[in-house]
Amino acid sequence: RKEVEQDPGPFNVPEGATVAFNCTYSNSASQSFFWYRQDCRKEPKLLMSVYSSGNEDGRFTAQLNRASQYISLLIRDSKLSDSATYLCVVNNQAGTALIFGKGTTLSVSS
Amino acid sequence: EPEVTQTPSHQVTQMGQEVILRCVPISNHLYFYWYRQILGQKVEFLVSFYNNEISEKSEIFDDQFSVERPDGSNFTLKIRSTKLEDSAMYFCASSQDPSPSTDTQYFGPGTRLTVL
Repeated sequence: RKEVEQDPGPFNVPEGATVAFNCTYSNSASQSFFWYRQDCRKEPKLLMSVYSSGNEDGRFTAQLNRASQYISLLIRDSKLSDSATYLCVVNNQAGTALIFGKGTTLSVSS
Repeated sequence: EPEVTQTPSHQVTQMGQEVILRCVPISNHLYFYWYRQILGQKVEFLVSFYNNEISEKSEIFDDQFSVERPDGSNFTLKIRSTKLEDSAMYFCASSQDPSPSTDTQYFGPGTRLTVL
């Protein structure tokens, strides 16, 4: 089983749409969870950390279900600038290295 | 805003040659990392480094790889004898704290390595 699995997409949505991405992870000992954003041929940039109680940052909402080992990201009111690849990331057992999913590609069109 | 820098942005080399990729982490950070991303694939952890020692390494980081902090600012990744499959984007990252639960790893813009 892959460590972090994501639907690769692409998700093609119009501006203003709401879109949700899902992710599952295999290591039940993982302690930290993140969503990163990666633009084409650029470095990953932290979008938000994901907490057990769920958390929101503007138009972005992240949820974590430890029992199901499932993470989600909801983007409301999509903007053209949201077009990117969204990477689901967890820490490894030792708590230092980040383990990345392959990413879900989002394309927002006008 | 402080940032991680990497040089060169693109390195082309012949198979079997040695390459050194350079990174300048954020100045007050103490923990350093290398990741790689083969085109179209996921970002993969290679190694973490603290206090002039490797803290952790993945199975990818075999004997052909080495890391060094030669001075107070640079952090390097050396590949001794490059193979075609080493072609990838190599990202350096740094953090103040090694635990992802308490600190963010900041990534540099990457060095694209092409092995011919």
